[in-house]
Amino acid sequence: AQRVTQPEKLLSVFKGAPVELKCNYSYSGSPELFWYVQYSRQRLQLLLRHISRESIKGFTADLNKGETSFHLKKPFAQEEDSAMYYCAPHNTDKLIFGTGTRLQVFP
Amino acid sequence: NAGVTQTPKFRVLKTGQSMTLLCAQDMNHEYMYWYRQDPGMGLRLIHYSVGEGTTAKGEVPDGYNVSRLKKQNFLLGLESAAPSQTSVYFCASSYDGDFYEQYFGPGTRLTVT
Repeated sequence: AQRVTQPEKLLSVFKGAPVELKCNYSYSGSPELFWYVQYSRQRLQLLLRHISRESIKGFTADLNKGETSFHLKKPFAQEEDSAMYYCAPHNTDKLIFGTGTRLQVFP
Repeated sequence: NAGVTQTPKFRVLKTGQSMTLLCAQDMNHEYMYWYRQDPGMGLRLIHYSVGEGTTAKGEVPDGYNVSRLKKQNFLLGLESAAPSQTSVYFCASSYDGDFYEQYFGPGTRLTVT
């Protein structure tokens, strides 16, 4: 069965610390992968996608096909990074969202 | 552009009542989606549409119906609401179903008592 796993429900760090939000997927073929973010009182929005190979707000995500992982990383967390983060592989016309990881960045 | 809008923002229903949630987008997107968001469950896809006049089932379609009579609108109906349908409902749209970004609405908080 196709599945995406975000093992941490909550990740708490201090400002300036490195952050890694884990995402593992179980899919046939080679899905396209996305990270979406939901800041407090804001809409869910795209953070980054694998196909673009981009860095957004200092975040990057590396696809490891061998480990079937797409972890989200940032070297120095900021307080404004506090939000809910969802990993979302793409599967035939639709995204399948993970259960999300809440990132709390303390001052 | 308003983007994706949802009506209503909040609603309280009694068990057995019916209601329709409206999603509208002004971006001329082909694809539209309805999700529900529950604590610890993430977002789960209820139904989606790949174009005007089409609908398809998602991960959790039971108890819901949808219609896409106009390209810009996607309606989600609850025929007989149950407490298990208490949730926050999000609508989204995208230009294409492949690698394009999904744009989300602000959500509708529904409570069924």
